[in-house]
Amino acid sequence: AQKVTQAQTEISVVEKEDVTLDCVYETRDTTYYLFWYKQPPSGELVFLIRRNSFDEQNEISGRYSWNFQKSTSSFNFTITASQVVDSAVYFCALRDGFKTIFGAGTRLFVKA
Amino acid sequence: KAGVTQTPRYLIKTRGQQVTLSCSPISGHRSVSWYQQTPGQGLQFLFEYFSETQRNKGNFPGRFSGRQFSNSRSEMNVSTLELGDSALYLCASSSGLAGGGTGELFFGEGSRLTVL
Repeated sequence: AQKVTQAQTEISVVEKEDVTLDCVYETRDTTYYLFWYKQPPSGELVFLIRRNSFDEQNEISGRYSWNFQKSTSSFNFTITASQVVDSAVYFCALRDGFKTIFGAGTRLFVKA
Repeated sequence: KAGVTQTPRYLIKTRGQQVTLSCSPISGHRSVSWYQQTPGQGLQFLFEYFSETQRNKGNFPGRFSGRQFSNSRSEMNVSTLELGDSALYLCASSSGLAGGGTGELFFGEGSRLTVL
């Protein structure tokens, strides 16, 4: 069965700190896709990144980076030098077959 | 390109009533998914449609139903509303591939349902 676990419910950091959001997933499929989404206080979920199960290369996009490790079924997200605008709920998601399921989300507070 | 449009944005119903929510996907997207978001349960998968066919359904009672039209627009219906149905209902569209879909989801702003 599919499952996505985001063990961190809330994280609070001070601006310019680095922060890592953890995501652990479970799936029986060999082909699957992992995602991160951001839901700012305004409410609309926004796609951040997608990885497929055959591509374990880590990715960096500006201050954001993602670490995908199949050996530990993890897909962690790091924000470097956090900013107040990064305050949001971040969701990790897994797609295999015809269904995308989401973790419970991690609420990130970045204080000035 | 216009985003995903959901209507109505807000609605208030009483227990026992039914409600229909509408979703217009991004032009060209043939896949539409629905989610229920509540503070306690997070984002729960309701259904996924592709070319008018329901491809998957979440663990919700039969009171929750949906459909997709030939123009890819989708509706979901909740009958015999209960207090616990109060939630933000999110629609997402995806370009996806016919086989299983790899595409990211583009979400609408949601329809906030309050059941009194």
